[in-house]
Amino acid sequence: GAVVSQHPSRVICKSGTSVKIECRSLDFQATTMFWYRQFPKQSLMLMATSNEGSKATYEQGVEKDKFLINHASLTLSTLTVTSAHPEDSSFYICSALAGGGETQYFGPGTRLLVL
Amino acid sequence: GESVGLHLPTLSVQEGDNSIINCAYSNSASDYFIWYKQESGKGPQFIIDIRSNMDKRQGQRVTVLLNKTVKHLSLQIAATQPGDSAVYFCAENRGTGRRALTFGSGTRLQVQP
Repeated sequence: GAVVSQHPSRVICKSGTSVKIECRSLDFQATTMFWYRQFPKQSLMLMATSNEGSKATYEQGVEKDKFLINHASLTLSTLTVTSAHPEDSSFYICSALAGGGETQYFGPGTRLLVL
Repeated sequence: GESVGLHLPTLSVQEGDNSIINCAYSNSASDYFIWYKQESGKGPQFIIDIRSNMDKRQGQRVTVLLNKTVKHLSLQIAATQPGDSAVYFCAENRGTGRRALTFGSGTRLQVQP
């Protein structure tokens, strides 16, 4: 139980294009999902909290117009990196909260490389 | 700002030995702590958690100890196996009712056969 998937697992794109990453909770409903970014050999940095049916809450320093988050259903949240640049290359990981619990279950991550 | 940090960036142990990974936190309002294991190229995997009203919790081959007096958290792995090789992160919530997590910097555990 508590399986979270991400798609795609890796993506390579040209600078200036937009990339959409999907995060799905496969066997539970998640009213809250989180998006993290992880650079090589570094820890996970929270980007935003995604709540179903409402606007995402962004961490300080994260541009909401660049990292668009949509949480349209209880099992799906999407992160769109708009006008991607090489410095956006990173490992993007989502997590989801199951029901009223506090344990975050993580997806396998998406490796983004912007050329 | 407040953060969660680790004392040792890399820990090397022999197979079969016990491992202890340490973590210091600074947010006195945190009341929920989690240890995650992350293998290369994968997302973090939940290992064990503990609430602030406890000082010890045991799982299968793992034990988490919480010392609120000195704001210290540790993960003990018994009979360490090669499959335990990974980066381990501690994480804390940001206070009662706040579900967002702050992650520590991570410790790489290397198990020598």
